[in-house]
Amino acid sequence: SQQGEEDPQALSIQEGENATMNCSYKTSINNLQWYRQNSGRGLVHLILIRSNEREKHSGRLRVTLDTSKKSSSLLITASRAADTASYFCATDVGGTSYGKLTFGQGTILTVHP
Amino acid sequence: GAGVSQSPSNKVTEKGKDVELRCDPISGHTALYWYRQRLGQGLEFLIYFQGNSAPDKSGLPSDRFSAERTGESVSTLTIQRTQQEDSAVYLCASSLPGGRSEQFFGPGTRLTVL
Repeated sequence: SQQGEEDPQALSIQEGENATMNCSYKTSINNLQWYRQNSGRGLVHLILIRSNEREKHSGRLRVTLDTSKKSSSLLITASRAADTASYFCATDVGGTSYGKLTFGQGTILTVHP
Repeated sequence: GAGVSQSPSNKVTEKGKDVELRCDPISGHTALYWYRQRLGQGLEFLIYFQGNSAPDKSGLPSDRFSAERTGESVSTLTIQRTQQEDSAVYLCASSLPGGRSEQFFGPGTRLTVL
C-alpha cells in the first residue's frame, strides 16, 4: 500500500482562491516532500519539510507537518491558472533507505481563470 | 547538461519485444532512481542506485525488468518480453549526495506496448 495518501483526489477552484491538499502517511519519516507534475511528465520538487519542522514557506506555498497525526498539508495561496497540475507528497523514512521516496497517488488541481 | 535527460521520449513496441530506456542524471548526483507511472496513477518505485552500493531492486515487478548503471553516470532500464501492462511513463530521477534527498526528474519515456 502507498505510504502517502493525498486528499482530495481532485480539486477545482477559481483563480485567486486558496488550494489546500492533504497527505497522510503510515510510518515514521525523516522528511516529507511535495512535488508538482504537469501534463503527466517529469515532476518538479516544490518543498521539503523535515520531521523536526512544523511549518515551512516558499513563495505562495505553505507546508505544515504534524508528525503526531502523520499528516501534512500543502496550501497554495492566491492560485493562478498556471498552478493547474498534479501534486504529490513523498516520504523519506531515512535510515538505510535514506533518499528513497515513497509517493502518494496525487491530487489533481484545476484552477479556472 | 542542466537537468536529467531520458531517451527515447516515446517508445511504441510490440508485445514480446525487448526495450531499453536510458537515463542521464545530473552530473555529480550519486543517487539515481527509476519509477513507473501508469495513466492517472502515482509513481511506483522500481529501483534505486546509490553510489557504489548494491542497488535497491525491491520495486522491480518481475524478472523481466532489470537496470544497470555505469559508475555514477548513465543508467539503462531494460524490459524483456514486454507485456501490455508494461505500458506506462517511466521516470528517472537523480539526487545530490550529502544528506539532501530532493529528487530531480527527467521528462520520462512514454512506453506503449501494442
